[in-house]
Parts: sequence; structure tokens; C-alpha cells
Amino acid sequence: TQLLEQSPQFLSIQEGENLTVYCNSSSVFSSLQWYRQEPGEGPVLLVTVVTGGEVKKLKRLTFQFGDARKDSSLHITAAQPGDTGLYLCAGASGGGADGLTFGKGTHLIIQP
Amino acid sequence: KAGVTQTPRYLIKTRGQQVTLSCSPISGHRSVSWYQQTPGQGLQFLFEYFSETQRNKGNFPGRFSGRQFSNSRSEMNVSTLELGDSALYLCASSLWQGGDGNTIYFGEGSWLTVV
Repeated sequence: TQLLEQSPQFLSIQEGENLTVYCNSSSVFSSLQWYRQEPGEGPVLLVTVVTGGEVKKLKRLTFQFGDARKDSSLHITAAQPGDTGLYLCAGASGGGADGLTFGKGTHLIIQP
Repeated sequence: KAGVTQTPRYLIKTRGQQVTLSCSPISGHRSVSWYQQTPGQGLQFLFEYFSETQRNKGNFPGRFSGRQFSNSRSEMNVSTLELGDSALYLCASSLWQGGDGNTIYFGEGSWLTVV
């Protein structure tokens, strides 16, 4: 069974600070996706990383896929209250045979 | 285009009852997958349907079942409800099956409370 461990589970910081969320596994994933979920809504895809070592930037968000494709990180620069939400990482095992494996998420609160 | 639509949004059931949840995928999407989300376990994969056939199944008991119709709409059913089935049930649609390199779009979910 593939597992994805996210840390920290909860994070509350002040507006303007930087933060990093981690997603780790002992399994190799063919791709990894990051989602953000707001209360009462379904998860919304932020980015997909496919290549080991890949770095993708989405405005103030930077996503990195580990060289061995077992881990990933999400870094937010100058966090804003609008970044508040549940951040989920999800791994695909490849071959199109399985559903996504999700981490339990990081609850992020940005205080103004 | 319209997103993934799930009905009902909220429902309360009694232990032992059964429930059916419905999902209409994005137009043109042929794959529908279902996930259960709870505070303790997070998002867990239930099953995936593509072209009316169940392609993948997660580690859930047989009380959880589903089906997909020719128009790609899907339903999931939970029989003999238990308190632990209380959760947010999310439906997601995508163009093709599987999670690899395949963008999936989630609905807002159906909140099920079992009392």
C-alpha cells in the first residue's frame, strides 16, 4: 500500500511570512499533484509535477518534485490570507491502473 | 463549461439504511471516480468507472458499490450504513481513466451524516 505523509498537519502563520509544506513517501510515484481545498468545496488542482527534480512556480507558490520521485514540497512566499485552506498532495502510480493516493493534508491558516 | 455536479449536497441517514449519491461529470469526460474524505483518514479512493465499467477499486467493503450509465453519469450506493460511514463523498471526473497525467476535477461533494 502506497502512503503519502504530509507535514506539518496544521500551520498557522502571519501574513507576509514564508512557509513550506512537505509530502513524503517510501514509494515512487510517476507523478504528483497538489490540490487546495476550501471549506465546503472539493479539492482544486494547483499543479502536477512529473519529472524527478522538477520545479514549477505558480505566482508565489513553488512546487518541487524530489529527484527520486518519492517526495515533494510546496513553498509559499509572502503568504496572504487568501492562501488559507487545506493543501493536499496526491500521487499517481503510473500505468493508468490506480486511483490517486492522497496525503491527509496540511491545514494552513494565514492570519492578517 | 459546467463543472462536476453532485447531489444531494447534504443528507442524514440512520444506521442500517442505505444511501445513493449521484454525480454528473463534466461534459465529454468519460471517467468518474469516487473518494471518501474523513478528518481521520483524509481522502481515500473508492472506485473508478470508465465507459460504464468499474476499472479500479479501493480498499472498501462490499457495502460500497457504484455504477456508471451510458451518459457517463455515475451513482454510488452504500448499504447497511454504519456510523463510521459519515463523511464527505467526492466525485471526480476526467477525460480518461487512471491518475497518471490525467487532470481530474472534483465536485463539491455530498456530506453524509449517519446517526
